[in-house]
Amino acid sequence: DAGVTQSPTHLIKTRGQQVTLRCSPKSGHDTVSWYQQALGQGPQFIFQYYEEEERQRGNFPDRFSGHQFPNYSSELNVNALLLGDSALYLCASSLFAGGPRNEQFFGPGTRLTVL
Amino acid sequence: GIQVEQSPPDLILQEGANSTLRCNFSDSVNNLQWFHQNPWGQLINLFYIPSGTKQNGRLSATTVATERYSLLYISSSQTTDSGVYFCAVERRDTGANSKLTFGKGITLSVRP
Repeated sequence: DAGVTQSPTHLIKTRGQQVTLRCSPKSGHDTVSWYQQALGQGPQFIFQYYEEEERQRGNFPDRFSGHQFPNYSSELNVNALLLGDSALYLCASSLFAGGPRNEQFFGPGTRLTVL
Repeated sequence: GIQVEQSPPDLILQEGANSTLRCNFSDSVNNLQWFHQNPWGQLINLFYIPSGTKQNGRLSATTVATERYSLLYISSSQTTDSGVYFCAVERRDTGANSKLTFGKGITLSVRP
């Protein structure tokens, strides 16, 4: 049973550049959520995708955008990178309207460094 | 939004000792999960426990939803238990899936 996968593992960019991160959900899951984790903090919710639509969004600017593909995989795009965007980006998968159990499973993360 | 507080922020134990990690939340929740984050950043699912008590080996957890807290118990701690423990809750305001709100985490160090 394949778990949640993310790529790349690490990424170094400079200010002003754009970045795309990728996530494949756990087998059987249809919903992908993205989180940003700054050093020493808990993960913060960015947005969630289901049926190729953004269903919920956290308190992040429009520079953060996403996409979900028909195979449920997802991309996170960040434009005009700032130093403060340096963080661990985590992807989580779950079942939408999953009934009594709505557990989220996380990938290994992508560590983004902005110089 | 919902607030999640974890305590203590840091915990140092001698191998073999027991510990209790606490998570308080400010509103009723549909979902509560405990995670262990390893040094490489991977969040490992420990418990899905919106209410009640569960046990898995040396770990157990209890959530008292009416009093808005959850406890994670670690018995006979091992050095491999070291890392950051997160509590995360979901309040499903608008139906179906919603976001997880995390606490700031508890950093556990188990000394040999």
